[in-house]
Amino acid sequence: AQKITQTQPGMFVQEKEAVTLDCTYDTSDQSYGLFWYKQPSSGEMIFLIYQGSYDEQNATEGRYSLNFQKARKSANLVISASQLGDSAMYFCAMREEGAQKLVFGQGTRLTINP
Amino acid sequence: ETGVTQTPRHLVMGMTNKKSLKCEQHLGHNAMYWYKQSAKKPLELMFVYSLEERVENNSVPSRFSPECPNSSHLFLHLHTLQPEDSALYLCASSREILADTQYFGPGTRLTVL
Repeated sequence: AQKITQTQPGMFVQEKEAVTLDCTYDTSDQSYGLFWYKQPSSGEMIFLIYQGSYDEQNATEGRYSLNFQKARKSANLVISASQLGDSAMYFCAMREEGAQKLVFGQGTRLTINP
Repeated sequence: ETGVTQTPRHLVMGMTNKKSLKCEQHLGHNAMYWYKQSAKKPLELMFVYSLEERVENNSVPSRFSPECPNSSHLFLHLHTLQPEDSALYLCASSREILADTQYFGPGTRLTVL
């Protein structure tokens, strides 16, 4: 079974609109971390935002926020006021307690239209 | 300035060649990782190093041979690769092996002919 599921292979959004990228995860651990990375066409995986499973508040970093719904096991990324430079692949990832590796989803390709 | 650098950025090699990928991190981290990103597949962890010791090897074929001479440098030695090994190879580092955030380099896009 997949541990990280990103159901949107591609999304198209108008510039300046907000966009939500979906991510659901599967774990039996109580302690885990959730991450979002951005991968532009250049290939580099850029860290965006982190949410710990025990964090009571949703994480925010500038225009990025993470809509964490623990009971639903979802960790959606919200980008406010999208910009052309936001066009990229976006990956959701999880690290379970005591695990060394990140488990990544399949990714969502976001395209921002002018 | 990027904290994790990788060279070369692009590499084309034949199946009988021997080549090496290099990763360097300037973040003072103690853990380093190699990932493989193939088309239409999630990233796959290949190797994990902590303080120059390998702590995880995810059933990677022996034609991939990692080397970590110090906590700032990580190599991936390649020999007798197959065309299906063509992929983007990403290096990452983190403060400690179980630290929360891993920071990635730009990757090496490898094509095996």
